[in-house]
Amino acid sequence: DAGVIQSPRHEVTEMGQEVTLRCKPISGHDYLFWYRQTMMRGLELLIYFNNNVPIDDSGMPEDRFSAKMPNASFSTLKIQPSEPRDSAVYFCASRTVQETQYFGPGTRLLVL
Amino acid sequence: GENVEQHPSTLSVQEGDSAVIKCTYSDSASNYFPWYKQELGKRPQLIIDIRSNVGEKKDQRIAVTLNKTAKHFSLHITETQPEDSAVYFCAAGDSWGKFQFGAGTQVVVTP
Repeated sequence: DAGVIQSPRHEVTEMGQEVTLRCKPISGHDYLFWYRQTMMRGLELLIYFNNNVPIDDSGMPEDRFSAKMPNASFSTLKIQPSEPRDSAVYFCASRTVQETQYFGPGTRLLVL
Repeated sequence: GENVEQHPSTLSVQEGDSAVIKCTYSDSASNYFPWYKQELGKRPQLIIDIRSNVGEKKDQRIAVTLNKTAKHFSLHITETQPEDSAVYFCAAGDSWGKFQFGAGTQVVVTP
């Protein structure tokens, strides 16, 4: 099992640019979570999906952030336009009801 | 919603000593309490978890205790080793959806 896969692993972009982060959950997992981690705010849940349907997006900071899950094996988190304060590590995680969450390796985003 | 508080924020112990991290939660509906270890630059990884129908669980040098009445749970690491140095996160939630994570505890084990 390859585990949760995220791409890119690192992203450096300029303020105002669009950023798209990608996630492939573990096969068979029906929950997918997007987190953001910073020193100041710790590990924050942004949004989560169950069976490809967004269940709770209350953690999405503002309209510049959007997330989609077009099928069971792929999800994207998009930031448009990006700002320096969006710099963080973004983790994707997946699980089933019977198991705990497994995190992906994360995407380190730096917005200049 | 759920609110999880974690203490201490930093913990320095000598190799061989024990380390204890404590968390409290607010939502009495929470029934699943995982602990994650995150090494520098890496992803959080599950080290142990406990469900609300169990009061204590042990896995080698790691143990977790849960007091549902008081809404608190703790992680105990015995015979600490330098490789135990990391940030540890507690979390609380239900088995049907999301967890709320604590703020993390930086554990430093000095030889």
